[in-house]
Amino acid sequence: DTAVSQTPKYLVTQMGNDKSIKCEQNLGHDTMYWYKQDSKKFLKIMFSYNNKELIINETVPNRFSPKSPDKAHLNLHINSLELGDSAVYFCASSQVLAGLYEQYFGPGTRLTVT
Amino acid sequence: KQEVTQIPAALSVPEGENLVLNCSFTDSAIYNLQWFRQDPGKGLTSLLLIQSSQREQTSGRLNASLDKSSGRSTLYIAASQPGDSATYLCAPKGAQKLVFGQGTRLTINP
Repeated sequence: DTAVSQTPKYLVTQMGNDKSIKCEQNLGHDTMYWYKQDSKKFLKIMFSYNNKELIINETVPNRFSPKSPDKAHLNLHINSLELGDSAVYFCASSQVLAGLYEQYFGPGTRLTVT
Repeated sequence: KQEVTQIPAALSVPEGENLVLNCSFTDSAIYNLQWFRQDPGKGLTSLLLIQSSQREQTSGRLNASLDKSSGRSTLYIAASQPGDSATYLCAPKGAQKLVFGQGTRLTINP
């Protein structure tokens, strides 16, 4: 019954590798997001998709590329990983229901780049 | 650019106390404001969402208030319990996105 799920939960990889994180929501929401939480616990938005279209693209290196194959999925692909990419990445979703925009978060993926 | 500040950064109180967490934001043009809790190593759980037209929202022992014009929100926790220990984050929503504060790390001592 998980609302927003992410895989993997932990990801340890070396610098220079390419990796992907997957996100799925079963809430029927039309908007999905990727956030990054750094070592100081600041949570910042990276991307947002609405009905498979990119609507928010913050100042994120172009090594990060989101892909939304359908409304229920938003994946994050990262090329040429760097030490500074180590963080926890959260996926979230929301629905414009009566203007609420309430966001629901996944459990996070802890990425460690060595 | 929206900036969100949460005070205090950390709070430790004995069980049973009532407490208030504060959130201030610089841009009052918001649609709503969400309060979340984050347990160590876990994701975020939505606690309350206040619409910009609302002044208060309640859920169980939690009460959140919003004063949009002054850029302030508070989260009141009544009769605190050890299970309330977590980091509490506030996030006002502008035209497109949530902007998060750094959070208040709350510890309730038995």
